[in-house]
Amino acid sequence: GQNIDQPTEMTATEGAIVQINCTYQTSGFNGLFWYQQHAGEAPTFLSYNVLDGLEEKGRFSSFLSRSKGYSYLLLKELQMKDSASYLCAVQDSNYQLIWGAGTKLIIKP
Amino acid sequence: DVKVTQSSRYLVKRTGEKVFLECVQDMDHENMFWYRQDPGLGLRLIYFSYDVKMKEKGDIPEGYSVSREKKERFSLILESASTNQTSMYLCASSPEQGVQYRDFGPGTRLTVT
Repeated sequence: GQNIDQPTEMTATEGAIVQINCTYQTSGFNGLFWYQQHAGEAPTFLSYNVLDGLEEKGRFSSFLSRSKGYSYLLLKELQMKDSASYLCAVQDSNYQLIWGAGTKLIIKP
Repeated sequence: DVKVTQSSRYLVKRTGEKVFLECVQDMDHENMFWYRQDPGLGLRLIYFSYDVKMKEKGDIPEGYSVSREKKERFSLILESASTNQTSMYLCASSPEQGVQYRDFGPGTRLTVT
């Protein structure tokens, strides 16, 4: 079967760095997405990785290792507004997205 | 800066009612999707459409149907609402080519009593 695993909840301190991991087992691979979702709102696109390595975009970076079925989202200089759920999704061989349940990130002052 | 809109943010319906959820996108996207989101679960695909009057079943189509009469509009229909259909419903769209990221609407929180 297809499976995406990510931690249910994480807590970090304002100004710090946090890494949210995602492991996957899917039927084929056509890229991995990270989305941010604030409570009661729609998911918004953060990043896309299709090749191995690190993609950096401001305070957010996303890493992919296809051989290990592993990705992480790195958030630097955490701000209170980063409190949200972070969703990992893999695009399978049919170009459909398989979603993880999301990681709720709590930022403390 | 309107992209994907949904007809209602909150909706309360009774068991057995027929429910219509409307979604409209203004980005001329080919693909449109309906998902439901429940606590502790990833987004689950209900139906999707790659073109006008075209529809494909997703992972959990039972109890739902869809309609796409125009490119910009994709409707989700609950033929006879049940309490286990209480959920957050998210509509999304994506362009035909390129990175298949989804642009999501704000969601409709449906409660069936």
